Amino acid sequence: GAVVSQHPSRVICKSGTSVKIECRSLDFQATTMFWYRQFPKQSLMLMATSNEGSKATYEQGVEKDKFLINHASLTLSTLTVTSAHPEDSSFYICSASSAADTQYFGPGTRLTVL
Amino acid sequence: GQQLNQSPQSMFIQEGEDVSMNCTSSSIFNTWLWYKQDPGEGPVLLIALYKAGELTSNGRLTAQFGITRKDSFLNISASIPSDVGIYFCAGADQGGSEKLVFGKGTKLTVNP
Repeated sequence: GAVVSQHPSRVICKSGTSVKIECRSLDFQATTMFWYRQFPKQSLMLMATSNEGSKATYEQGVEKDKFLINHASLTLSTLTVTSAHPEDSSFYICSASSAADTQYFGPGTRLTVL
Repeated sequence: GQQLNQSPQSMFIQEGEDVSMNCTSSSIFNTWLWYKQDPGEGPVLLIALYKAGELTSNGRLTAQFGITRKDSFLNISASIPSDVGIYFCAGADQGGSEKLVFGKGTKLTVNP
């Protein structure tokens, strides 16, 4: 149980384009989903927290207009990187939790912006 | 943002050896979590600790929630090559379904 998937696993895009990453909880209902960013050899950095049906809460320094988060259902959250630039290249990881349980992480999405 | 102090940063050991790593915090947490991350993958939950003083095992892994609620350790016994990866500790104020504070990770290398 407690499986979280992400799609795509890796994406390469041109500078200026937008990229959407999906995070799904496959076998449980996720009241809360989290989006993290991880640079090489570093720990996970929380970008935002989203609760189903409400606006995401962004961490300090994270541009909410650049990283659009939607949590439309209890099993799906999406992160859209708008007008991506090379400095947005990173490993993006989501996690999901139900009210009664801890967070389970997705396998991550490697974004490369050319 | 806030981070936990995790040590050591890296470890190089021989297969069969035991390993110990720990995390400390200046503030109290009510939940301690240990995750393992393989290259190019997301973290996988190894052990969750919810009570001060709790000692929990998962196969060859054992973790303890410090009595002061400001620290936790993870032990791996009889290491094998597939133990290679980065181990992260994380603290939470409640059960872990809310925002986590992560350590910087311990990179484990196991030589066969």
